[in-house]
Amino acid sequence: GEDVEQSLFLSVREGDSSVINCTYTDSSSTYLYWYKQEPGAGLQLLTYIFSNMDMKQDQRLTVLLNKKDKHLSLRIADTQTGDSAIYFCAERRGGNKLVFGAGTILRVKS
Amino acid sequence: DTEVTQTPKHLVMGMTNKKSLKCEQHMGHRAMYWYKQKAKKPPELMFVYSYEKLSINESVPSRFSPECPNSSLLNLHLHALQPEDSALYLCASSQVYGRGEETQYFGPGTRLLVL
Repeated sequence: GEDVEQSLFLSVREGDSSVINCTYTDSSSTYLYWYKQEPGAGLQLLTYIFSNMDMKQDQRLTVLLNKKDKHLSLRIADTQTGDSAIYFCAERRGGNKLVFGAGTILRVKS
Repeated sequence: DTEVTQTPKHLVMGMTNKKSLKCEQHMGHRAMYWYKQKAKKPPELMFVYSYEKLSINESVPSRFSPECPNSSLLNLHLHALQPEDSALYLCASSQVYGRGEETQYFGPGTRLLVL
């Protein structure tokens, strides 16, 4: 249906790379976003990618977009304990409506 | 500055109370949003204001009443809420609504508990 799907949980060791995956539904979505939410806090915008791009890099973050498969991923290099949080992907549909995935809990073990 | 502020941080209210949530941004954004987030769930859109006018109401019950007194402020008036309305209420803003790339910036949220 209409859901944006994400795997629910990812556990990595400190210093490793983390890859969080997302599958979205609307092929006409123009922008796709990654937000981070720490416990009890609001959503922090991490990065976004326009649908005519296939990759975007921003310091430790790399976003890959496969528009054909409607697949989005977020790679965090050199993952730190401070990266432990819930990560939401979101697609922008008609107007500026954001539809979020269920979120991926990232746990970083030291 | 990409800050959206929300007050209060926490709110406990009874089902007969009337309370208000407040949101403020000074980024010159002309679109503001209310989202509701239940525990372990993603945010769900409630309302969108564009140029101080209500553009979207996602079939929200009338016990939630939004208000946008000016371009920097957004309120959410609460009356006769139910315990199932307990959630984190998030405010967001973007430059405009409905055109181009309009990144939404979120506030820290108000955690509401209805007894």
